[in-house]
Amino acid sequence: QQQVKQSPQSLIVQKGGISIINCAYENTAFDYFPWYQQFPGKGPALLIAIRPDVSEKKEGRFTISFNKSAKQFSLHIMDSQPGDSATYFCAATHPRNQFYFGTGTSLTVIP
Amino acid sequence: GAGVSQSPSNKVTEKGKDVELRCDPISGHTALYWYRQSLGQGLEFLIYFQGNSAPDKSGLPSDRFSAERTGGSVSTLTIQRTQQEDSAVYLCASSHGGGTEAFFGQGTRLTVV
Repeated sequence: QQQVKQSPQSLIVQKGGISIINCAYENTAFDYFPWYQQFPGKGPALLIAIRPDVSEKKEGRFTISFNKSAKQFSLHIMDSQPGDSATYFCAATHPRNQFYFGTGTSLTVIP
Repeated sequence: GAGVSQSPSNKVTEKGKDVELRCDPISGHTALYWYRQSLGQGLEFLIYFQGNSAPDKSGLPSDRFSAERTGGSVSTLTIQRTQQEDSAVYLCASSHGGGTEAFFGQGTRLTVV
C-alpha cells in the first residue's frame, strides 16, 4: 500500500514558469514532510521540509503548501530554471519511523 | 567530510557471490536508513535503525539480505548469493532521530553479472 501518493510522474515547464508537484498521504500520524531533489547519479538531497503546524513554508524559489484537512502537500518551484531539472520526491514520516517516499516526479525545465 | 559516506561507490559482482555495502552516517545521528533504488525508479525501504532499539527490518526483500549497525554508528548491508534482480543503487541516510531531517549518501551502485 502506497503511503504517499505523488503526481505527476513527469512534468515539463518553460524557463521562468511555475512547477507544481502534489502529494497526498493517509496516515494522520505523519508529522514531518520533506521534499528531496535528486540529480542523475547522485543521492537525494533534502530541499525543504514542513511540519503540519504551518500551512506554508518558503525558502527562496521553493515553497511547500500544506493542507492538513485534505492530507495533501505540494511543492511549488517559482521562476523554474533549467538547473532545476531533476527528480523530486516527497516523503512523510513520524517519530521513530522510516520515511515513506512518493514515486517521484521527473521535472524538465525547457530553456 | 561531514556528510553520509558510502563505500564502495560502485560494485560489480558475479551472480551467487556475497557483497557487503558500508555506510558511515553523520556523526551523532542516531537513526540510519537503507533504501534501494532501481534504475529510474523510486526509493524502496529496506531497514531502519534507531539508537539501541530493535531495527525495523520490514522492508528487506528476502532472507538473503541482512544489515547490522555496530556501536550505533557504521552500518553494513550484506546481500548473500546475489541475483541479477539485486542490481540497483543502495542508498543510506541518517538523521538525529526518526522523523527529523535525513541526509543521504551518494549510494553504492551494485551490478550483478
